[in-house]
Amino acid sequence: AQKVTQAQTEISVVEKEDVTLDCVYETRDTTYYLFWYKQPPSGELVFLIRRNSFDEQNEISGRYSWNFQKSTSSFNFTITASQVVDSAVYFCALSVGTDKLIFGTGTRLQVFP
Amino acid sequence: DTGVSQDPRHKITKRGQNVTFRCDPISEHNRLYWYRQTLGQGPEFLTYFQNEAQLEKSRLLSDRFSAERPKGSFSTLEIQRTEQGDSAMYLCASSLGGLQGDLLGGYTFGSGTRLTVV
Repeated sequence: AQKVTQAQTEISVVEKEDVTLDCVYETRDTTYYLFWYKQPPSGELVFLIRRNSFDEQNEISGRYSWNFQKSTSSFNFTITASQVVDSAVYFCALSVGTDKLIFGTGTRLQVFP
Repeated sequence: DTGVSQDPRHKITKRGQNVTFRCDPISEHNRLYWYRQTLGQGPEFLTYFQNEAQLEKSRLLSDRFSAERPKGSFSTLEIQRTEQGDSAMYLCASSLGGLQGDLLGGYTFGSGTRLTVV
């Protein structure tokens, strides 16, 4: 069975702090894709990143970085120098063999000024 | 093209009534997906289309639910005999190609239709 676990339900930080959102996935397949999406209060899911299981290189995009570790089945997301506009619910998702995404339950991030 | 459009944004209906939602994908996208999201949860896959063909349906999609994409463009999701448990946000997304294929990123989601069954 495939599953995504986001153990952190809610995180609160003060602006400019760094914050890491955890994602642990389960699958027995060797080929899969991992995603992160952002859902601001408006409700629309915004795509952030996709990684395939054969590419364990970490990625940095501006203040965002992702750490993919197959050994621990984790795909963690770090926001450096957080800003109020980063406040949202963040979802990690897994895709195995088909086009459907299996989402975690999300982590609500609140960044206070 | 301004993205994926969903109509209506909100729908309140009485239990037992039928409702229909519409999704207009990005025009050049051949794949269209429906997800359902309840409060505090992540989206759950319902079904997806490639052009007009419905390629996969979740077991969540009971016989009261039907989705169509008759001309491979817009799609409708109908729920018959609504129940209170159907209250959720219904999200539509589209993509060019599939996640496993030549697509560089993920889908583009719409803002959703929030259904409340009273």
